[in-house]
Amino acid sequence: DAGVTQSPTHLIKTRGQQVTLRCSPKSGHDTVSWYQQALGQGPQFIFQYYEEEERQRGNFPDRFSGHQFPNYSSELNVNALLLGDSALYLCASSPGISGRGGTDTQYFGPGTRLTVL
Amino acid sequence: SQQGEEDPQALSIQEGENATMNCSYKTSINNLQWYRQNSGRGLVHLILIRSNEREKHSGRLRVTLDTSKKSSSLLITASRAADTASYFCATNDYKLSFGAGTTVTVRA
Repeated sequence: DAGVTQSPTHLIKTRGQQVTLRCSPKSGHDTVSWYQQALGQGPQFIFQYYEEEERQRGNFPDRFSGHQFPNYSSELNVNALLLGDSALYLCASSPGISGRGGTDTQYFGPGTRLTVL
Repeated sequence: SQQGEEDPQALSIQEGENATMNCSYKTSINNLQWYRQNSGRGLVHLILIRSNEREKHSGRLRVTLDTSKKSSSLLITASRAADTASYFCATNDYKLSFGAGTTVTVRA
């Protein structure tokens, strides 16, 4: 049973560029959440997708956008990259939404390390 | 903003010793979870404790929750080198809110 997978593993971009990160949830999971983890910090919630719609959003600018496909996989897009966007981007999946019959435990992928130069 | 705050920031212990770390949070919660992260990779869920529970065990892990003090503790007994990792508490309000974590180093 494959867990959460993310691609690519590492990525180097320059300021002003755009980037797309991809995530495939654990089998049987339909909810995908994205987190940003700066060096030495805990993960910060970016947004959550369920039924192909953004359901919750953290305190991130509109440069951060996402998408969920019918097969539940998801993409995170970041436009106009800034040096401060350098971080580990984590995708997490869960079956259903917490509080709506879903579970509270989230299963994380290995992350994508983004470096902005 | 981060909901949980772990203490201490770093902990170094000898193999076989116990490791205790604490978490404080700010608002009321449905549950609190602890996760482990090895070398800046993905997080692994360790244990979940609900707001109406006071203590929970899982293998060598023991978690306590004091909702009146808005605090939780994670105890790892008989630590092993493989327990070397960063440990995060996370509160759940339709999303996970993490603290900055406690880095635990277990010396052989």
